[in-house]
Amino acid sequence: RKEVEQDPGPFNVPEGATVAFNCTYSNSASQSFFWYRQDCRKEPKLLMSVYSSGNEDGRFTAQLNRASQYISLLIRDSKLSDSATYLCVVSLSGTYKYIFGTGTRLKVLA
Amino acid sequence: NAGVTQTPKFQVLKTGQSMTLQCAQDMNHNSMYWYRQDPGMGLRLIYYSASEGTTDKGEVPNGYNVSRLNKREFSLRLESAAPSQTSVYFCASSGRVQGGQSWETQYFGPGTRLLVL
Repeated sequence: RKEVEQDPGPFNVPEGATVAFNCTYSNSASQSFFWYRQDCRKEPKLLMSVYSSGNEDGRFTAQLNRASQYISLLIRDSKLSDSATYLCVVSLSGTYKYIFGTGTRLKVLA
Repeated sequence: NAGVTQTPKFQVLKTGQSMTLQCAQDMNHNSMYWYRQDPGMGLRLIYYSASEGTTDKGEVPNGYNVSRLNKREFSLRLESAAPSQTSVYFCASSGRVQGGQSWETQYFGPGTRLLVL
């Protein structure tokens, strides 16, 4: 089993739609959680950290469920510019390591 | 601030050739990392350096060496390139997210696209 698992997609949604991605992690020692965005042939960029209580940044909402070991990302009112691959990332307590999921590809259609 | 910079952006090598990928960060971060990204595999850690003067192996270190030259610079060397090392290489550094959070997160360079023939 992979340490961080994501549905690879692609998720094809119309502009204005709401879309949600889930990510599961296997190591209960996971300490910090993040969503990154990666555009084609570019580097990953931090979208948002995921707080235990959940957090929102504009149209983006992230949730963490430690008991079930998953995190989610909700995008409301999708824009064409949201088309990208979304990477789920966890860091392990007591280490300097970050574990990346393989990403979920989103295409927002006009 | 330039953030994390990498050179070169592209490189073509023949099997058996050597090269060094350069990485520098100007964010005063202690930790630096080298990853490779292949289709369907996600990002895989090659080596990391938790602080100046230390380096450790990651998930896929074979065929690579690293040098943490100083706090700013972390280089990756391929001594004898193989076609299996064709990939996109990303350097990253980690530090606290601006805004005062108590945990660190990673910032990436633009990547080096390497083709080994």
